[in-house]
Amino acid sequence: AQKVTQAQTEISVVEKEDVTLDCVYETRDTTYYLFWYKQPPSGELVFLIRRNSFDEQNEISGRYSWNFQKSTSSFNFTITASQVVDSAVYFCALLSKAAGNKLTFGGGTRVLVKP
Amino acid sequence: KAGVTQTPRYLIKTRGQQVTLSCSPISGHRSVSWYQQTPGQGLQFLFEYFSETQRNKGNFPGRFSGRQFSNSRSEMNVSTLELGDSALYLCASSFVRGGDYNEQFFGPGTRLTVL
Repeated sequence: AQKVTQAQTEISVVEKEDVTLDCVYETRDTTYYLFWYKQPPSGELVFLIRRNSFDEQNEISGRYSWNFQKSTSSFNFTITASQVVDSAVYFCALLSKAAGNKLTFGGGTRVLVKP
Repeated sequence: KAGVTQTPRYLIKTRGQQVTLSCSPISGHRSVSWYQQTPGQGLQFLFEYFSETQRNKGNFPGRFSGRQFSNSRSEMNVSTLELGDSALYLCASSFVRGGDYNEQFFGPGTRLTVL
């Protein structure tokens, strides 16, 4: 079975501060994919990033960066220099190849960026 | 390229009725998945269709069903509605090639209220 845990339910920051969102996953599969999605108040889930289990290279994309560590089953996500428009609920998700094309989501972390 | 579209956006039904939700995937995407989002249970996978066949199913009662048409458009049906079916129903499409899975792109959702 797959499981995703986002321990932080809500984070409040002031604009321009950095925000790091934690994600811990569980799977017995050796081939899996990890994702981060953003859900603004409008409700639509917006895809942000995707990593494969065989690629632990951490990257930076604009103000977004992620830290994937298989040894600790963690896939943390950082927003640098946060902006008010970053206010949303962020979901970490796991897709285990053996289980097919279905996402298992964490409970989400609500990020509130204050001006 | 147009995104995933869902109709209707909002729906109000009473207990015992049935409802049909529609989803049009991104052009070229043959995989369509459905998810239910509630405050209590979070985001949960309902089922996935690929080439008009249900490939994967989540832990939902048989009242929840779906289908996919030859143009990849998908419908989801809920019969004998219960109060607990009130939720945001999200449709997602993805491009699946060979045995690899890609990110799923979500529509704006249909918010169903059961009275």
